[in-house]
Amino acid sequence: NAGVTQTPKFQVLKTGQSMTLQCAQDMNHEYMSWYRQDPGMGLRLIHYSVGAGITDQGEVPNGYNVSRSTTEDFPLRLLSAAPSQTSVYFCASSYSWTGDQPQHFGDGTRLSIL
Amino acid sequence: KNQVEQSPQSLIILEGKNCTLQCNYTVSPFSNLRWYKQDTGRGPVSLTIMTFSENTKSNGRYTATLDADTKQSSLHITASQLSDSASYICVVRGGRGSTLGRLYFGRGTQLTVWP
Repeated sequence: NAGVTQTPKFQVLKTGQSMTLQCAQDMNHEYMSWYRQDPGMGLRLIHYSVGAGITDQGEVPNGYNVSRSTTEDFPLRLLSAAPSQTSVYFCASSYSWTGDQPQHFGDGTRLSIL
Repeated sequence: KNQVEQSPQSLIILEGKNCTLQCNYTVSPFSNLRWYKQDTGRGPVSLTIMTFSENTKSNGRYTATLDADTKQSSLHITASQLSDSASYICVVRGGRGSTLGRLYFGRGTQLTVWP
């Protein structure tokens, strides 16, 4: 099983550039989410989706967009990269957004904004 | 305010020794508490889940406890191995109302096991 696959693994951008972080899962999970992880801080929720066509904002959504056209894919778009967006980004999926099922995380995208 | 606090922030132990990591939370209403292990350069992986009615649960050399009255959980690692070196993250899920389904993350405890 591939689980949750994130691409790319590493990326360097210049301030003002845009890019899309890809996330795909093959477990037919309804719930998908994006987090950022910064040194000394817990994972913070950026955006989430409870199913295809449904997305909502998390704790730190500014500067990011998402869409969910299929159950499998949940891309994260940086509209105009800023140095404050330098971070490690994790995509996660789970069977539902409530209940006792664990979140399955990808291995992250390490993003540096110069 | 709903929060999850973990201690210690970092811990170094010798291979073969035991250790205990702590997680205190204020999340209410509470649904469950899960411990994740995050290896360097990887995403977090679930170790165990504790629900309201559970006090102790083991997964190999990992034993988690939960005291829902004092809102405290611990993760005990027995006979540590070099592969236990990782960050251990405590995550609490809210139970109903405005916290329903929401996840609250601790900042993690960085464990280093030396040979």
